[in-house]
Amino acid sequence: RKEVEQDPGPFNVPEGATVAFNCTYSNSASQSFFWYRQDCRKEPKLLMSVYSSGNEDGRFTAQLNRASQYISLLIRDSKLSDSATYLCVVLTNFGNEKLTFGTGTRLTIIP
Amino acid sequence: DTAVSQTPKYLVTQMGNDKSIKCEQNLGHDTMYWYKQDSKKFLKIMFSYNNKELIINETVPNRFSPKSPDKAHLNLHINSLELGDSAVYFCASSHPGQGTGRSYNEQFFGPGTRLTVL
Repeated sequence: RKEVEQDPGPFNVPEGATVAFNCTYSNSASQSFFWYRQDCRKEPKLLMSVYSSGNEDGRFTAQLNRASQYISLLIRDSKLSDSATYLCVVLTNFGNEKLTFGTGTRLTIIP
Repeated sequence: DTAVSQTPKYLVTQMGNDKSIKCEQNLGHDTMYWYKQDSKKFLKIMFSYNNKELIINETVPNRFSPKSPDKAHLNLHINSLELGDSAVYFCASSHPGQGTGRSYNEQFFGPGTRLTVL
């Protein structure tokens, strides 16, 4: 079982729609959680952290359920510029901090 | 102005050759990383250095040897290149344990080096 699992997609959704991504992680000792975004042929960039209480950044909402080891990302009113691969990322720290990336979910927003 | 830079951006070489990829960060971070992203887009950590000291060494063939001359640089040397080494290699840096204003433990990635072994 992969440490971080995501639906690879692709998700093709019309502009303006709401889209949700899910992610599960296997290591219950994981400490911090993030969503990164990677555009085609570019480097990954941090989109947002994910907090237990849930957090929002504009059109983006992230949720964490530690009991279920489940993370989600919701994008409202999607824009063409949201087209990218979204990577679920988990941080573990057993003396050394290590990020483990999911395989990513590819999103294409259709005009 | 580039925060994390890598050279070269593209590298095409024959099997069996030895090659190096260089990485530099001007963010003042203590920790640097090398990641490999394969053809299936799976991004996996290879090495992590903190203040020139090797911290993480995942299951990577010993043909791969990182070298950190100072905390702003982390180079990756690969001996006897194989077809399976073809991938995009990303360097990253972070300042673990300290808020970066935007997020705790944010890692900043370089633009990647696309290695093709023929």
